[in-house]
Amino acid sequence: NAGVTQTPKFRVLKTGQSMTLLCAQDMNHEYMYWYRQDPGMGLRLIHYSVGEGTTAKGEVPDGYNVSRLKKQNFLLGLESAAPSQTSVYFCASGDLHFSSYNEQFFGPGTRLTVL
Amino acid sequence: EDQVTQSPEALRLQEGESSSLNCSYTVSGLRGLFWYRQDPGKGPEFLFTLYSAGEEKEKERLKATLTKKESFLHITAPKPEDSATYLCAALNDYKLSFGAGTTVTVRA
Repeated sequence: NAGVTQTPKFRVLKTGQSMTLLCAQDMNHEYMYWYRQDPGMGLRLIHYSVGEGTTAKGEVPDGYNVSRLKKQNFLLGLESAAPSQTSVYFCASGDLHFSSYNEQFFGPGTRLTVL
Repeated sequence: EDQVTQSPEALRLQEGESSSLNCSYTVSGLRGLFWYRQDPGKGPEFLFTLYSAGEEKEKERLKATLTKKESFLHITAPKPEDSATYLCAALNDYKLSFGAGTTVTVRA
């Protein structure tokens, strides 16, 4: 049982390049989330999904797109990377959506640098 | 605006030196207050959920408490393995708001 895994662990991009971050979970969770973590700031929600085939915007969605074609996978795309997108990206999943009775499980993170 | 503020930003402790971390929140309709532990280079790991003022939860050397405006994470007689960043997050009906965290370093 691997939990939540993220690929890649590290990536360096040049401004304007595109990339996709992959998140996979093996806990059969319905809900999945993408966050970014920046120094001195709390985790901020980028996009989330409440089930296969669904996506929704979070707090900071601009410059990102997501897809949830399979229940176990949640992809985060950057179409044209900008230095402001330099951050550590975390994927999370959970049984219930924003429920106080069920915590979110986080992946190990992807450290992205945009030059 | 929903806001979660953690203090101090960093805390250096000697092994055995107990201390407390603060998480103050201005969140309307609080449904739960979460505490997570985050080790360097890893994702947050769940510790506790508190639901209502007056509630307390314990796990080994950690005890979390909740009032109407803030939560405290007490670390009793810490060990070097307690070194980590501790995050709190407040949940209401539509949002989970995270604080920036307190980085705790425990020296042997």
